[in-house]
Amino acid sequence: AQTVTQSQPEMSVQEAETVTLSCTYDTSENNYYLFWYKQPPSRQMILVIRQEAYKQQNATENRFSVNFQKAAKSFSLKISDSQLGDTAMYFCAFGSNSGGSNYKLTFGKGTLLTVNP
Amino acid sequence: KAGVTQTPRYLIKTRGQQVTLSCSPISGHRSVSWYQQTPGQGLQFLFEYFSETQRNKGNFPGRFSGRQFSNSRSEMNVSTLELGDSALYLCASSLVGQSHSGANVLTFGAGSRLTVL
Repeated sequence: AQTVTQSQPEMSVQEAETVTLSCTYDTSENNYYLFWYKQPPSRQMILVIRQEAYKQQNATENRFSVNFQKAAKSFSLKISDSQLGDTAMYFCAFGSNSGGSNYKLTFGKGTLLTVNP
Repeated sequence: KAGVTQTPRYLIKTRGQQVTLSCSPISGHRSVSWYQQTPGQGLQFLFEYFSETQRNKGNFPGRFSGRQFSNSRSEMNVSTLELGDSALYLCASSLVGQSHSGANVLTFGAGSRLTVL
């Protein structure tokens, strides 16, 4: 079974600064997908960024980028130019094509990020 | 384009009762997944449906069940409620085959918050 570990329960950053959230995972599979989801306070979860394991190039989405280290099974999220609206719980998630379903994700416990003015 | 709609948003039940939660996916999305979110256990996969068939099930007791209708709408039912069933129940839908086969990007609803007294 896959496991996803987020070692930072809480983090804070000043507005306009850069912050990196850590995520490690454990799997024996070779083809899989990794995601960062964001859940703002009392609001619904939205996708921030995704990475296919077969791609060596790190994914980027505007101010969000990842550092994907497949051998180390590490998948960190970097948020540049942090904004107040980035305050949220961030979840790292793992998905694969095995087990008869492409749509079962294993989530980490989450990192609560607070952006301070 | 309407998002994933979950009803009811909030409900309170007592131990021993049963509850049914509803999820309407994004139009065209045929895969519907359910997750339970609690402060202690985080996000845990319940089950996933595609074309009215359950393709995968998480490690939950038989009191948790679900179904999907021909219009892709899904319901989940919890019978004989226990205090520990208090949680935010999240539904997510996915467009099969989007971008890359198996890329399993989930779009979440706002959730149904169940309180068991």
